[in-house]
Amino acid sequence: SQTIHQWPATLVQPVGSPLSLECTVEGTSNPNLYWYRQAAGRGLQLLFYSVGIGQISSEVPQNLSASRPQDRQFILSSKKLLLSDSGFYLCACSGASYGYTFGSGTRLTVV
Amino acid sequence: SQQGEEDPQALSIQEGENATMNCSYKTSINNLQWYRQNSGRGLVHLILIRSNEREKHSGRLRVTLDTSKKSSSLLITASRAADTASYFCATDDASGGSWGKFQFGAGTQVVVTP
Repeated sequence: SQTIHQWPATLVQPVGSPLSLECTVEGTSNPNLYWYRQAAGRGLQLLFYSVGIGQISSEVPQNLSASRPQDRQFILSSKKLLLSDSGFYLCACSGASYGYTFGSGTRLTVV
Repeated sequence: SQQGEEDPQALSIQEGENATMNCSYKTSINNLQWYRQNSGRGLVHLILIRSNEREKHSGRLRVTLDTSKKSSSLLITASRAADTASYFCATDDASGGSWGKFQFGAGTQVVVTP
């Protein structure tokens, strides 16, 4: 079965600082990978998805970017964080018939 | 806009009671999924129902799908305190170009009191 490792669990960053969140996947190859953001008490907003190495699709215009340097590695980045980037970030991997497997999430607070 | 919308937004029940929540969506779908999220944690996949299925069971969970009404329901029978969580439905868009991408609703927050 698939396992997603996501870190860090919690992050407090000042406005204007860079960001790098990493997600790695075990137990599968060539997965579809996703980054979601969840605002407090809300549903999930799809930010980026990737169907393969170097292939990134952005769902919404924003201050963030994503990269997939390896088959099972997905990175979410920003050069300069904004207050509005605060939220709960979740990495997910899609399986054949089991829906998504989610990581445990990163709570980002921009101060 | 969100593809799936859950109803109610919040639900409070006592242990042993059944909990029912609904999800409505807008476009034709390939399948619909339900997830559970404990506070501050990642989402856990509960059940997937395909567009050609009408009902599916998994333990104490029962999911129905009515594609004519573009709606689904999740029933948790004989609820337990451990069922306290937020529940989300997620749908894809069968119109093409979005394979494997799921849109989530805002969720139903369920509280089960002993």
